[in-house]
Amino acid sequence: AIQLTQSPSSLSASIGDTVTITCRASQGISSTLAWYQQKPGKAPKLLIYDASSLESGVPSRFGGSGSGTDFTLTISSLQPEDFATYYCQQFNSFPFTFGPGTKVDIK
Amino acid sequence: DVHLLESGEGLVQPGGSLRLSCAASGFTFSDYAMAWVRQPPGKGLEWVSSITSTGGGAYYADSVKGRFTMSRDNSRNALYLQMNSLRAEDTAVYYCAKYRSVARSPFDPWGQGTLVTVSS
Repeated sequence: AIQLTQSPSSLSASIGDTVTITCRASQGISSTLAWYQQKPGKAPKLLIYDASSLESGVPSRFGGSGSGTDFTLTISSLQPEDFATYYCQQFNSFPFTFGPGTKVDIK
Repeated sequence: DVHLLESGEGLVQPGGSLRLSCAASGFTFSDYAMAWVRQPPGKGLEWVSSITSTGGGAYYADSVKGRFTMSRDNSRNALYLQMNSLRAEDTAVYYCAKYRSVARSPFDPWGQGTLVTVSS
């Protein structure tokens, strides 16, 4: 199974900051990577698919990049509603796997 | 709007069974593969199972293979997860999710989730 690691596991940031989260796959997955945002008590929400494509309705301050094994989610100008946990997911092959998550909280 | 609504929440003893359902609306259900994803309390996400649009193929995580069965009824726009031989480690919120597109893709959207608790 393809393993995904995320770093950092948590971070504290201020409104207006730029935040970068990385996701590394244990083997190459081309661009078959997605990013989700999850707030407490809510279902995950798709932000980015195919590593860098912004899902409809998602603010443009969210951006994704990478291919192969190394991927990045960047949040520019962090807003209050962005404090949440972020997960990467590979959909290259079964079993689909998720990263362990990165919690972004307020500094 | 696409809407997914899970049901079947419950408390079950170890070794017991439970069936989850997911009612879908707002899209042509028979065109899309579907998935179940779970999240133990306070922990991360774990993909459980996926099923093709026709129901002709289903795929499972090793942790549930041989115990869980995913199925669908395209005439009823319904998705199911039959869970047998339940263990304490199956305790989680279970989400049903639609594949984003008809091709290989991530999940979007997700239902609100339903809680399964396995405990004596």
